[in-house]
Amino acid sequence: DTEVTQTPKHLVMGMTNKKSLKCEQHMGHRAMYWYKQKAKKPPELMFVYSYEKLSINESVPSRFSPECPNSSLLNLHLHALQPEDSALYLCASSQEFQREGYQETQYFGPGTRLLVL
Amino acid sequence: GDSVTQMEGPVTLSEEAFLTINCTYTATGYPSLFWYVQYPGEGLQLLLKATKADDKGSNKGFEATYRKETTSFHLEKGSVQVSDSAVYFCALTEGSNYQLIWGAGTKLIIKP
Repeated sequence: DTEVTQTPKHLVMGMTNKKSLKCEQHMGHRAMYWYKQKAKKPPELMFVYSYEKLSINESVPSRFSPECPNSSLLNLHLHALQPEDSALYLCASSQEFQREGYQETQYFGPGTRLLVL
Repeated sequence: GDSVTQMEGPVTLSEEAFLTINCTYTATGYPSLFWYVQYPGEGLQLLLKATKADDKGSNKGFEATYRKETTSFHLEKGSVQVSDSAVYFCALTEGSNYQLIWGAGTKLIIKP
């Protein structure tokens, strides 16, 4: 089973709202990722968690706040977003983040389509 | 730096036609290569992968062979269906570079 689940599927929020995206995997993976994907573009990496610790932050604005409560769950807290933040937000996981100098295969969830008004 | 180049789309084919989507890469070492597929309105699914030269990845009738001599990983399918309509992304990872390096994506449209 290579399933990553994400909720909600769709989200509409105002620029003053606070909302959260959730991601879950039960594959025993120890690395989890957040990506942002704009229409007709490949995904852009935002954050990487390895063993529940933040390993990579790709200079993401502080209005995006990730959280990894345990090895199966990954949240992305959203606050004071801008209309240009509207996108598909994808979660992914892999067995490990980096193993002996190579990258593990990443498995993606279905995404949350976010619209900021 | 590392890069992936895919043929520009959209690629439009009739059902049961033969499919090739070209992918070439630039890398300093020995990358792992991937094809991901994104169906309309959905997330990314791993379609197939290859981790060393001459490996052939295959899944759902799709195949791609890791060709080091031509630095290519072309995606092929012998007979496409309308349900194969999607955007296909070629990607690589290499060594300790944690980033997945993506191609621009190729939109495939299959007409009945």
